[in-house]
Amino acid sequence: GAGVSQSPRYKVAKRGQDVALRCDPISGHVSLFWYQQALGQGPEFLTYFQNEAQLDKSGLPSDRFFAERPEGSVSTLKIQRTQQEDSAVYLCASSPTGRMNTEAFFGQGTRLTVV
Amino acid sequence: QKEVEQNSGPLSVPEGAIASLNCTYSDRGSQSFFWYRQYSGKSPELIMFIYSNGDKEDGRFTAQLNKASQYVSLLIRDSQPSDSATYLCAVQGGTSYGKLTFGQGTILTVHP
Repeated sequence: GAGVSQSPRYKVAKRGQDVALRCDPISGHVSLFWYQQALGQGPEFLTYFQNEAQLDKSGLPSDRFFAERPEGSVSTLKIQRTQQEDSAVYLCASSPTGRMNTEAFFGQGTRLTVV
Repeated sequence: QKEVEQNSGPLSVPEGAIASLNCTYSDRGSQSFFWYRQYSGKSPELIMFIYSNGDKEDGRFTAQLNKASQYVSLLIRDSQPSDSATYLCAVQGGTSYGKLTFGQGTILTVHP
């Protein structure tokens, strides 16, 4: 595709429900980053993949958060037993190199609301 | 102390004026510095990056970096109402797999 595609664009979850957020990176991009952006804040790093390897998951806020990229392309961010504090926009970015650089692009994000 | 700090604003300037956005960072090992623009409800888009001390100009935008003072700024000349957005400063360290650490963003409003 032409850009980074995220789905769903909007998700409303009841507290305690599990959710899965999908990211389709730009074709050929080796790196994939997940960020969480709370209302009125800047994006905060969650995790990073280079191809299928998850090289950094230091930003995941708890063990309820899990991310995978099994074939080095599409990635899924899963949140178990959602809590109200998980409400945020989840942004995915992909890059053709091993770093966020000038050729990296963000997807439109998934807005998660936990009620 | 946050790793990357910005004045959240809002910063309001008249059309045609210069808007000055500032950012400080705490990690002296930081190597690359980015400015993103984010319109309400949209994703961040890269508008400027800078690696070396000094100024870098691109059209109406000038990024300034002072590593000794751990300070980076963005100047927008001849501000237009379409420049109204949140401006995010992002910093890239040398040992963090290339992830970016963002500030909280400065809201800029350019009024006609």
